[in-house]
Amino acid sequence: NAGVTQTPKFQVLKTGQSMTLQCAQDMNHEYMSWYRQDPGMGLRLIHYSVGAGITDQGEVPNGYNVSRSTTEDFPLRLLSAAPSQTSVYFCASSYSGPRGGLTDTQYFGPGTRLTVL
Amino acid sequence: DAKTTQPNSMESNEEEPVHLPCNHSTISGTDYIHWYRQLPSQGPEYVIHGLTSNVNNRMASLAIAEDRKSSTLILHRATLRDAAVYYCIPEGNKIIFGKGTRLHILP
Repeated sequence: NAGVTQTPKFQVLKTGQSMTLQCAQDMNHEYMSWYRQDPGMGLRLIHYSVGAGITDQGEVPNGYNVSRSTTEDFPLRLLSAAPSQTSVYFCASSYSGPRGGLTDTQYFGPGTRLTVL
Repeated sequence: DAKTTQPNSMESNEEEPVHLPCNHSTISGTDYIHWYRQLPSQGPEYVIHGLTSNVNNRMASLAIAEDRKSSTLILHRATLRDAAVYYCIPEGNKIIFGKGTRLHILP
């Protein structure tokens, strides 16, 4: 298994540009989520999905869109990049998500380091 | 969702035990407590989780208070590789990371 993969590893954008951060998992996990981590800070939840076709907002959803058309993929779209979105972005997946009890172990991707100029 | 309180940072000597505390006084009765850690420049990784009784695995032990309002992650013999930020996360409608505890290991 490849686990959770994220592309690209690094990206530099200009203010106002749009782009999509890719996330894929091959573990047949239902729950997927996106976090951002600013320097010296903890992770903040952006959006999450409990299954294909179902998404919901996390703590800091503004400026980001998500969709979940397949179980495997959960892309994160930046509509109009701003310098405040400079961060490291982590995608995670788990078998059953919140309140999954014994099965709720999150697997994280390696992250995408995004800089917006 | 339950809120957590963890020390900002802790320090320990190499090869000594480390006890990392977490308060989660608003946790509901059926939610598990999860611990993750984040090594420098990496994504978080799972450490351990439990519900009521103490739990052990190859990485650590988890001691959960009888009233479930607090828990303690125990690293039995800390190594330099254990230097990381440790997050305590009660289950909830969303999986929320707090700021965690930055653990420094002194050689």
